[in-house]
Amino acid sequence: NAGVTQTPKFRVLKTGQSMTLLCAQDMNHEYMYWYRQDPGMGLRLIHYSVGEGTTAKGEVPDGYNVSRLKKQNFLLGLESAAPSQTSVYFCASTRTSRETQYFGPGTRLLVL
Amino acid sequence: GNSVTQMEGPVTLSEEAFLTINCTYTATGYPSLFWYVQYPGEGLQLLLKATKADDKGSNKGFEATYRKETTSFHLEKGSVQVSDSAVYFCALSLNTGNQFYFGTGTSLTVIP
Repeated sequence: NAGVTQTPKFRVLKTGQSMTLLCAQDMNHEYMYWYRQDPGMGLRLIHYSVGEGTTAKGEVPDGYNVSRLKKQNFLLGLESAAPSQTSVYFCASTRTSRETQYFGPGTRLLVL
Repeated sequence: GNSVTQMEGPVTLSEEAFLTINCTYTATGYPSLFWYVQYPGEGLQLLLKATKADDKGSNKGFEATYRKETTSFHLEKGSVQVSDSAVYFCALSLNTGNQFYFGTGTSLTVIP
């Protein structure tokens, strides 16, 4: 039981490049979330999904897209990376919206 | 709206000192309340939670009581250890809507 895993752990991009962050969970959770963590700002919700094939915007969705084609996977895409997207990205999943969230180990992204 | 406010850090304590990290919330409904801990280089993990008024969550010597009258969920520990050095996040979720709301985090450093 691996819990929540994230790929890659670290990435450096040049401005304008694209990439996809992968989140996978093996707990059969319906809800999945993508957050970014920046110094002094805590966690900010980018997008979330309440089930396979569904996605919704969070607090800071601009510049990101997501897909949930399979229940266990939640992908976060950056189409044209900007330095403002330099951050640590966390994925989380939960069975229902009132229960404990389980977090992945994070992806550090540096955009030059 | 829904939000969580927690005391700003960083907090530095000597080993065996008493810890309090304040957390207050604003919620449009009846929330569940959580404390998460983030150790250096890791994702967040649940420390404790409470789902209704006057509930006390506890784990690893940490405690927090859900106080509806003061809309608070303060984290306490009677005697901190060096291994408690981490960032602590207060969070809430509602049974309406699908999001979690996090505070900005409080960094704790415990010195021997």
